[in-house]
Amino acid sequence: SQTIHQWPATLVQPVGSPLSLECTVEGTSNPNLYWYRQAAGRGLQLLFYSVGIGQISSEVPQNLSASRPQDRQFILSSKKLLLSDSGFYLCAWRGTGAWYGYTFGSGTRLTVV
Amino acid sequence: AQSVTQLDSQVPVFEEAPVELRCNYSSSVSVYLFWYVQYPNQGLQLLLKYLSGSTLVKGINGFEAEFNKSQTSFHLRKPSVHISDTAEYFCAVILNQAGTALIFGKGTTLSVSS
Repeated sequence: SQTIHQWPATLVQPVGSPLSLECTVEGTSNPNLYWYRQAAGRGLQLLFYSVGIGQISSEVPQNLSASRPQDRQFILSSKKLLLSDSGFYLCAWRGTGAWYGYTFGSGTRLTVV
Repeated sequence: AQSVTQLDSQVPVFEEAPVELRCNYSSSVSVYLFWYVQYPNQGLQLLLKYLSGSTLVKGINGFEAEFNKSQTSFHLRKPSVHISDTAEYFCAVILNQAGTALIFGKGTTLSVSS
């Protein structure tokens, strides 16, 4: 069966420090992968999605970047964190085919101090 | 571009009362519709989905939703809620075409009290 792993679960980082959040999927190949951010009162905002290795689409211009170095690995990064980067980050995957359901990871709570 | 509006940010109800969480969407093409639930500090869990066919869809935990194309709505209902239903609920839509991503509403916090 397919599973999605996201880590770390919680992270406290100072302003100006770098960030790397990792997401991996098991049990499937060539998934579509997504990063969402959830901030209080703002719902889930799509940040990046990827349909294949090295293919990244950015939905919101900001301080973050994403990379997909391997088929089932999706990384969210920042060179210098801002206070506004605080939030709950969720990774998700979707298989190809008629069923467009997403499966979400358990999320990373990022607090920038 | 498609968008999703959840009309109520917070819905307080008493245990065993019925509840309806409202969701409206806008899109110029056909869409798939979803409801997700999120418990505190957890990821999202799929409650139910509408892809095609019957406009009344049943999901987990006794929830159901009705797709109304003319009103572009997909309201979530439960006839009798439990304390354990307290959570945040998200309506989401994706276009029926390749290369698009799931777009979420801002969420509705359901608070069930005794």
